Amino acid sequence: DAGVTQSPTHLIKTRGQQVTLRCSPKSGHDTVSWYQQALGQGPQFIFQYYEEEERQRGNFPDRFSGHQFPNYSSELNVNALLLGDSALYLCASSLGQGGSYTFGSGTRLTVV
Amino acid sequence: TQLLEQSPQFLSIQEGENLTVYCNSSSVFSSLQWYRQEPGEGPVLLVTVVTGGEVKKLKRLTFQFGDARKDSSLHITAAQPGDTGLYLCAGGETSYDKVIFGPGTSLSVIP
Repeated sequence: DAGVTQSPTHLIKTRGQQVTLRCSPKSGHDTVSWYQQALGQGPQFIFQYYEEEERQRGNFPDRFSGHQFPNYSSELNVNALLLGDSALYLCASSLGQGGSYTFGSGTRLTVV
Repeated sequence: TQLLEQSPQFLSIQEGENLTVYCNSSSVFSSLQWYRQEPGEGPVLLVTVVTGGEVKKLKRLTFQFGDARKDSSLHITAAQPGDTGLYLCAGGETSYDKVIFGPGTSLSVIP
């Protein structure tokens, strides 16, 4: 039974570029939440997708957008990358919005 | 605005010692979760506490939820090097609210 799969594992981008990160939820889960974790800090909530719609959003600018597909997988898009966007991006899946989270190993994004 | 605070921020102890880490908020949470995260990995759920005053045990780990559901503690007995990691508390005001995380306690257990 596969857990949460994130791709790519590592990514280096130049300031101003755009990036797309991908997440496949754990089998049986239908909700995906995205978090940004800077080095030495706790994860910060970006947004949550359920039934292909953004249901909740944290305090992140519109440069951060997402999508959920009919198979429950999800993408996180970040436009106009800033140096401060360098972080570990974590995807968590759950069964329903109130279910327990299972996290992927994350995508390490470095903006240079 | 919901906020979770954790203390201490860093903890370095010898193998065999006991320790307690704390998670506090001014908000009431419907439940609190504790996660452990190792470098390069995502957080792994250890436990969820739901009822005020609840105590849960997971081998050498004891978790307690405050009576007012605003705070929680994690006690580790006879710490081992395998306990090393970042301990995160997390929760939401309602069952369907976004889950926010504290800043974490970085634990290092020295053999």
